[in-house]
Amino acid sequence: GAGVSQSPSNKVTEKGKDVELRCDPISGHTALYWYRQSLGQGLEFLIYFQGNSAPDKSGLPSDRFSAERTGGSVSTLTIQRTQQEDSAVYLCASTVKVGELFFGEGSRLTVL
Amino acid sequence: DAKTTQPTSMDCAEGRAANLPCNHSTISGNEYVYWYRQIHSQGPQYIIHGLKNNETNEMASLIITEDRKSSTLILPHATLRDTAVYYCIVRVTPISGGYNKLIFGAGTRLAVHP
Repeated sequence: GAGVSQSPSNKVTEKGKDVELRCDPISGHTALYWYRQSLGQGLEFLIYFQGNSAPDKSGLPSDRFSAERTGGSVSTLTIQRTQQEDSAVYLCASTVKVGELFFGEGSRLTVL
Repeated sequence: DAKTTQPTSMDCAEGRAANLPCNHSTISGNEYVYWYRQIHSQGPQYIIHGLKNNETNEMASLIITEDRKSSTLILPHATLRDTAVYYCIVRVTPISGGYNKLIFGAGTRLAVHP
């Protein structure tokens, strides 16, 4: 595919359950970002991967959130023991040129 | 953490130029200004960026003041499809090492009407 692919596009879960969100970046893109966007709000930075370097995790809101990027390509964002305030659209972006991000369509998470 | 100030909302008539202002009075000399837009229910889309010179591409023009404290994104002939939230972002440049990341503010909600 030509663009950033995210799955699932929609996820409904119960409070306390764990969820995994997947991001397939554009082939060859060395940098990968995760953001989240609550309803009617702007984008909140979560985490940034660049090549094989240690990720910038400064935006992760709590230790329930974690992310990994395997083989410098696919990334998984994991939220443990989900809470209702975790409900949001989780957006992934990749780039090879600093600042020019290509975003996926997002994964909409609803925690009941 | 956003270092930019934008109006909350703007209106524009279809076919007219849309001029979206952004204030970034604390910008540093080596920090770039980026513009993105987000159409409803889609991921953000990169539009244009600049450092000090005016820039133009197929989507828009970016005018940066000489003191670099503000900029304006210009959509020369707005269409209904340009209705979106427009984000002006100053790229955070780490002081030493670290990483570049884009911090999105609330943006300007542009409504293009017939």
